[in-house]
This record gives sequence, C-alpha cells and structure tokens, in this order.
Amino acid sequence: DAGITQSPRHKVTETGTPVTLRCHQTENHRYMYWYRQDPGHGLRLIHYSYGVKDTDKGEVSDGYSVSRSKTEDFLLTLESATSSQTSVYFCAISASGGNTIYFGEGSWLTVV
Amino acid sequence: AQTVTQSQPEMSVQEAETVTLSCTYDTSESDYYLFWYKQPPSRQMILVIRQEAYKQQNATENRFSVNFQKAAKSFSLKISDSQLGDAAMYFCAYRASTQGGSEKLVFGKGTKLTVNP
Repeated sequence: DAGITQSPRHKVTETGTPVTLRCHQTENHRYMYWYRQDPGHGLRLIHYSYGVKDTDKGEVSDGYSVSRSKTEDFLLTLESATSSQTSVYFCAISASGGNTIYFGEGSWLTVV
Repeated sequence: AQTVTQSQPEMSVQEAETVTLSCTYDTSESDYYLFWYKQPPSRQMILVIRQEAYKQQNATENRFSVNFQKAAKSFSLKISDSQLGDAAMYFCAYRASTQGGSEKLVFGKGTKLTVNP
C-alpha cells in the first residue's frame, strides 16, 4: 500500500472555528489533491498541488486554503468552518505523468 | 476544462448477469488516463481498471472490461458475472498525462450499483 495518511480521521467542530486537515505521504510524489465527497456530487476537487509551494484551485475552493511547505505534507485549512463544509475529505497523490493514483482513507468532518 | 459525466445515478443487476456503466468525458488533450474506481460502504477508493488514451486496445481485468471510444469520448465499464461483492459506488475519472501540464484528476458523480441475489 502507498504511504499516504490523513489526519484527523474524524473531527467534530463548531461553526466559525478554524480547522486544518493534514495529508502526509512517504512516496515523494509531485501531485497532491484534496477532494470533498458529498451525496449526489461525487468527488469534487478543492485544491491541488504540483510541487512545494505550487498550488491551484479546484472547482469548490471557496472557503478553503491550502499549503505545501514540503513535499510530503499538504494541508487543507477551513479558516472559519460552516455547516456546508460538513463532508468527507479525501487526499490523493500521484507521480507526474503517472497512471497510478493513491487515496487516503478519508477524513470525516462535522461542523455543528 | 475537463469534465466527466456519469449519466446513470443508479443501476441494478442480477447476480451472475452482466451490467454496463456509462461514462463520457470532455477534454482537448490527446494524452490522458481514464479510470474506474469502486467505493464500497467503507469509503475506500479501489482502482478497478485504467486505460491509457494512446492504447487502442480496451483494458480488461478479470470480470471487468472497458469499451473505450476515443473519438466519442466514451469510457464504459462492463462487469461480467456480477457478484454480490460488486455492489458499490463506481466512479469514472480522468487525468491528463502531460508532464508539467495541468494534471488535475477529475471525477464523475458516480453510479450506485446494486446486485440482486
């Protein structure tokens, strides 16, 4: 199995509080992605990174920021969590031009 | 922008029968990968099959095969001899393979497959 871990796996937080999810990889892959999964919407891309300090927005980036200060870590931050951000968040990684995508196990976030 | 469309939110099949899940995509790239992922209730993402766009031969993995029509931008998944364990959400996904280019990984909304005994 690919070395990709997400933390925390489960979190309940209050509206208006900041939340950071971490994706850590041991594969030295260039690309890292954050998705949210909601019923009826599949997996929607929030942000992705194509290198250290190189990031770009996905289709649902509003309310989220990311950072990648080193190859192995990609952080997703909700600056002020809202109930609409209650979701399951997945991290994925891939080598550049690679045909293999590895997924984390998901982070369940509930905003109350 | 690349998009992936799965037009069947739900499908059902009888055990031992064959079912086909549809997927279409839109891209201006010439080199890319297409994937089918299975997601059981555990939410784990499991790769079922992948296809490189430059390969004309359709990919197969045991009971799973695809019908890749590049000109039509269609990538359907056929499951033969369906088993109860095949019941899951199935996602079609696209990724450009141009190194250094935009290598977004884009998913469809999924098809929920039910297998009836």
